[in-house]
Amino acid sequence: EDKVVQSPLSLVVHEGDTVTLNCSYEVTNFRSLLWYKQEKKAPTFLFMLTSSGIEKKSGRLSSILDKKELFSILNITATQTGDSAIYLCAVDRASGSRLTFGEGTQLTVNP
Amino acid sequence: DGGITQSPKYLFRKEGQNVTLSCEQNLNHDAMYWYRQDPGQGLRLIYYSQIVNDFQKGDIAEGYSVSREKKESFPLTVTSAQKNPTAFYLCASCDRGLRTGELFFGEGSRLTVL
Repeated sequence: EDKVVQSPLSLVVHEGDTVTLNCSYEVTNFRSLLWYKQEKKAPTFLFMLTSSGIEKKSGRLSSILDKKELFSILNITATQTGDSAIYLCAVDRASGSRLTFGEGTQLTVNP
Repeated sequence: DGGITQSPKYLFRKEGQNVTLSCEQNLNHDAMYWYRQDPGQGLRLIYYSQIVNDFQKGDIAEGYSVSREKKESFPLTVTSAQKNPTAFYLCASCDRGLRTGELFFGEGSRLTVL
């Protein structure tokens, strides 16, 4: 059975702080790992990672995958209150028919 | 605009009643999914469909049923057999085989069983 574990489950920081969110996984025939941001209702796509060691970056957010150690991190620098959300990690198998999600990390950024 | 529409957004039902949640997409995606989200938990897969007239059980299918008679539509019925139906339900779709790796989500339906 595929498994995705995220940590921490919740995190409270002040604006301007840098945060690192973790995602470890066990999946048969791994194909990709995905990060989503869920602010209120619909999760929105952030990154898809397929290769080890290659950083994906979008503004203040970046993510990297380690396929040997089976984990990924999502970094957010200079956090803003608008970064407050649940961050979801998911993995996809080579068959590509479904995603398995972790529990999510609830990030709260206080002014 | 292309997207996924879920309805209703909020739904209250008494115990023992079946309810059907609607999900419609105009993205021309082959694959559609239903997830359930409980407080403090991630998304758990209920059912998914990769093509019209075909669907598969996810990890928590018991007490739920679906149909896929049209490409655009993937309704979910929460039956009275579902023991704890109060939850937030999300519908999603993607290009077949998750080639782009991106699921597109609807705004969700919050079901409360009284």
